[in-house]
Amino acid sequence: DTGVSQDPRHKITKRGQNVTFRCDPISEHNRLYWYRQTLGQGPEFLTYFQNEAQLEKSRLLSDRFSAERPKGSFSTLEIQRTEQGDSAMYLCASSPRRVRAFFGQGTRLTVV
Amino acid sequence: GENVEQHPSTLSVQEGDSAVIKCTYSDSASNYFPWYKQELGKGPQLIIDIRSNVGEKKDQRIAVTLNKTAKHFSLHITETQPEDSAVYFCAASPAGGTSYGKLTFGQGTILTVHP
Repeated sequence: DTGVSQDPRHKITKRGQNVTFRCDPISEHNRLYWYRQTLGQGPEFLTYFQNEAQLEKSRLLSDRFSAERPKGSFSTLEIQRTEQGDSAMYLCASSPRRVRAFFGQGTRLTVV
Repeated sequence: GENVEQHPSTLSVQEGDSAVIKCTYSDSASNYFPWYKQELGKGPQLIIDIRSNVGEKKDQRIAVTLNKTAKHFSLHITETQPEDSAVYFCAASPAGGTSYGKLTFGQGTILTVHP
């Protein structure tokens, strides 16, 4: 399968714990995006990378959130001190030099 | 920033009928407009996209039209089938500059096709 891969698919965590998600983009796609989707809403942009450089962050991305893309390959999104409001689907997408973006299956986070 | 409005929020049709979903956008800098289909528990799947230098694009039963002057674009699905049932999202993005590829999504349309 050469699509965007996200791990884990589901995560249940207690409030206050830290969680980390991983995204493996389509090979040779130099752009990688993170979005968050809550129930009944469209995805909302969080941040994106061009190769290893993080070029833009949404104001939705509070200080508790951090994303990395070492060596311009896979990316991780970490949430520290999780809150119930962080419960959502976290989506990763990648695109080549053209603008067309392809999404992974997402990581469903539930904070209890 | 960009704002994308999508209508209707729900759409119910009989198999074989056509379905039309409409979106408007606010930022004149947007010039790339994709449509995604999302099934329950899955990520959005790109089904068709259009750039602002094109007024219409068709792929089998799916077509998208764009009116850049009015800042609206629409998705047309003909001969609908039960497997078309899903949530459909429109989105807008600049195709250049620092926000290249950053998608702003509409609120989604739940399409139900009844056999």
